Amino acid sequence: AQSVTQLDSQVPVFEEAPVELRCNYSSSVSVYLFWYVQYPNQGLQLLLKYLSGSTLVESINGFEAEFNKSQTSFHLRKPSVHISDTAEYFCAVSEYTGFQKLVFGTGTRLLVSP
Amino acid sequence: KAGVTQTPRYLIKTRGQQVTLSCSPISGHRSVSWYQQTPGQGLQFLFEYFSETQRNKGNFPGRFSGRQFSNSRSEMNVSTLELGDSALYLCASSSGQDREKLFFGSGTQLSVL
Repeated sequence: AQSVTQLDSQVPVFEEAPVELRCNYSSSVSVYLFWYVQYPNQGLQLLLKYLSGSTLVESINGFEAEFNKSQTSFHLRKPSVHISDTAEYFCAVSEYTGFQKLVFGTGTRLLVSP
Repeated sequence: KAGVTQTPRYLIKTRGQQVTLSCSPISGHRSVSWYQQTPGQGLQFLFEYFSETQRNKGNFPGRFSGRQFSNSRSEMNVSTLELGDSALYLCASSSGQDREKLFFGSGTQLSVL
């Protein structure tokens, strides 16, 4: 079975500051890793994913995440945040054979203030 | 292309009743999955359907059931509602070519009184 730990339930930052949202996972098999974002009153949107290959993956809006197998981590980073990045961010894993069966972390609420 | 559509958006029921939630996936998507989101338990996988067959199931009691129709639309049913079933129920769909990319609907907020 897999599990995902997001230690920070809330991360307050000022606009244009860098941010890192932490994610650690546990699994006895190889997994795929994802970050999803949820804006208020909306469903989840895929932010980025790691399937294989380069351990650094990037999204189109400036976020990046690095897969670290030895530390079983997949932390999300952004060098400069905007007010519009305020949302809840979920880290998730899935087994190779069960893409739709995601195991989610408890989420991290990113609060960006001016 | 329209996104994943879930109806109704909000629902209020009383204990012991049953409820049916509906999900229309993105056109062409044949895989539909359901998740329950609560403040206490977070996001939990309920089940997945592909071509009208349940392919995966989470750890929920038998009161939770679902089905998928030939047009890929899906419904989930919860019988004998309990207070703890109050949650946001999210539906997600994916295509065959890009199975790992899930598209989520805005959810149905179910309140059980």
